[in-house]
Amino acid sequence: NAGVMQNPRHLVRRRGQEARLRCSPMKGHSHVYWYRQLPEEGLKFMVYLQKENIIDESGMPKERFSAEFPKEGPSILRIQQVVRGDSAAYFCASSPSSQGINQPQHFGDGTRLSIL
Amino acid sequence: KQEVTQIPAALSVPEGENLVLNCSFTDSAIYNLQWFRQDPGKGLTSLLLIQSSQREQTSGRLNASLDKSSGRSTLYIAASQPGDSATYLCAVEGGANSKLTFGKGITLSVRP
Repeated sequence: NAGVMQNPRHLVRRRGQEARLRCSPMKGHSHVYWYRQLPEEGLKFMVYLQKENIIDESGMPKERFSAEFPKEGPSILRIQQVVRGDSAAYFCASSPSSQGINQPQHFGDGTRLSIL
Repeated sequence: KQEVTQIPAALSVPEGENLVLNCSFTDSAIYNLQWFRQDPGKGLTSLLLIQSSQREQTSGRLNASLDKSSGRSTLYIAASQPGDSATYLCAVEGGANSKLTFGKGITLSVRP
């Protein structure tokens, strides 16, 4: 009965490198959400995806950040040319596709990204 | 734009005390409200979800209330224990399968 799985748990990158964060939703969940938690800040929404579609990316920085949720495999949050300000905890959440039924979003344990 | 506020940012109480954590939001057109618990270095655990049509939800020693018209929710913790020490986050969802807007959380410390 696996929950939302995120890997890696910790990721260290040097400035200018690329970071790839992975999220496998709970079994049967087809909605994936990415949030970022900066130090001393609350969680901020980044992007909402369904299989092969980006539904809402209003919280995603316009440059260097991208997300995908392919038909097969996990959702990927990709950050290109990382900078120190990208250091944060990145959380993934998933929910089932039942419309009209209130379902909580289930969160993974997050990926802590540190930029040297 | 929805904004969620949780005050105070931190709270310290002796074991056994009943306590109330507050949450306020600016846009009353919400779909639901959730309370989460976050332990240091961990993810979020959903505690209670209140639908917009509901007034309260209960789970064990926890009771959450929702007053949508005034934009407020409270999380009541009865007979607090040291194991309740964590950060408690309030979040509102604006529509079905949409993003959550979070408050910054209240860090609770329950002293033995």
